[in-house]
Amino acid sequence: DAGITQSPRHKVTETGTPVTLRCHQTENHRYMYWYRQDPGHGLRLIHYSYGVKDTDKGEVSDGYSVSRSKTEDFLLTLESATSSQTSVYFCAISESIAGGPSEQFFGPGTRLTVL
Amino acid sequence: KNEVEQSPQNLTAQEGEFITINCSYSVGISALHWLQQHPGGGIVSLFMLSSGKKKHGRLIATINIQEKHSSLHITASHPRDSAVYICAVRKKSSGDKLTFGTGTRLAVRP
Repeated sequence: DAGITQSPRHKVTETGTPVTLRCHQTENHRYMYWYRQDPGHGLRLIHYSYGVKDTDKGEVSDGYSVSRSKTEDFLLTLESATSSQTSVYFCAISESIAGGPSEQFFGPGTRLTVL
Repeated sequence: KNEVEQSPQNLTAQEGEFITINCSYSVGISALHWLQQHPGGGIVSLFMLSSGKKKHGRLIATINIQEKHSSLHITASHPRDSAVYICAVRKKSSGDKLTFGTGTRLAVRP
């Protein structure tokens, strides 16, 4: 299994509070991704990174920011959590092969509840 | 309309049956992925393919680029195959990002 951990695994917070989720990898992979998974929707990309300090927005980036200061860590921050951000969050990693990414490997997920 | 559609949404099978899950997409792609999500929530990559067919154990994935269609087959199904199977595509216009289907929930009864 790819070495990907997420912390915390579960969190309950209140509306308006800041929240930071951490994704840590030991595979030295270039690409890292943050997704959210909600009933009735497929996994949706929030933000992704293609290298240290190189990040870009996904399809549901509003209300989220990210940072990647080291290859192994990719942080997702909810500046002011809202109930609509209650979800399961997955981190994923991939490596580049022949100029493009390979298959993605997923972390165990973080269940976030915003009351 | 979603760019990636899976069918069926739910599937129940008896142990030993041959299972087919379908994925259709409406955009140009550079690769298609099949993923498995276990009841506990973990997501595992099964296949990444851009043409033809791949096989791993009892799992077979095929893709027809012209028809924009892929199938995932499970031979001799077993209760431990019970999971959600997710199709995802890497669009030519989106570089390395994936677009996901909503998944097919499979239950295999003993």
